[in-house]
Amino acid sequence: DTEVTQTPKHLVMGMTNKKSLKCEQHMGHRAMYWYKQKAKKPPELMFVYSYEKLSINESVPSRFSPECPNSSLLNLHLHALQPEDSALYLCASSQDADGYGYTFGSGTRLTVV
Amino acid sequence: GNSVTQMEGPVTLSEEAFLTINCTYTATGYPSLFWYVQYPGEGLQLLLKATKADDKGSNKGFEATYRKETTSFHLEKGSVQVSDSAVYFCALSDGSSNTGKLIFGQGTTLQVKP
Repeated sequence: DTEVTQTPKHLVMGMTNKKSLKCEQHMGHRAMYWYKQKAKKPPELMFVYSYEKLSINESVPSRFSPECPNSSLLNLHLHALQPEDSALYLCASSQDADGYGYTFGSGTRLTVV
Repeated sequence: GNSVTQMEGPVTLSEEAFLTINCTYTATGYPSLFWYVQYPGEGLQLLLKATKADDKGSNKGFEATYRKETTSFHLEKGSVQVSDSAVYFCALSDGSSNTGKLIFGQGTTLQVKP
């Protein structure tokens, strides 16, 4: 298995909702990442987990809450989002936290209404 | 800080034309360099990579050479196809920082017309 699987593919949520994005990989990778991509822009790093521990938080607002329950799973919990948070959320993994050999998921397209 | 600069698009070519997308970088140390491709509505796919000076990455007819003296990693393809239409991102990773962070250029949209 050489894929990173993200669910759901599309999500529409209201500003008072709570939802979660899920990411799964079975490649034995020990680093997992969340990126946010706005339309016609490059991805921007949000969080890095290395060996199931949060190693980087790029000053992301607390309405985004990451979780790494085990080495194969990565969640992003969403609460009280704003319309400007609408974007493509990409999960990725790599063997180690060295930025080499990333595999990206197809992303979750989030719309906040 | 580390940064990547790509030529602005969109780049519009006819099928079978030669493609060059310029990419230059600024980095401390010895970064690894990557080209990613993003097709409409999809995530990013690694197209090719190079980890040290003078390395040439290649895949699916695309090539790029890591040029330390000019801090460049230009993407080339000899004959583009309509199916190559996508957004191309140049990126670097500073492995010495142990953060795993990828730094992307702004992306270049390629449109290939039949």
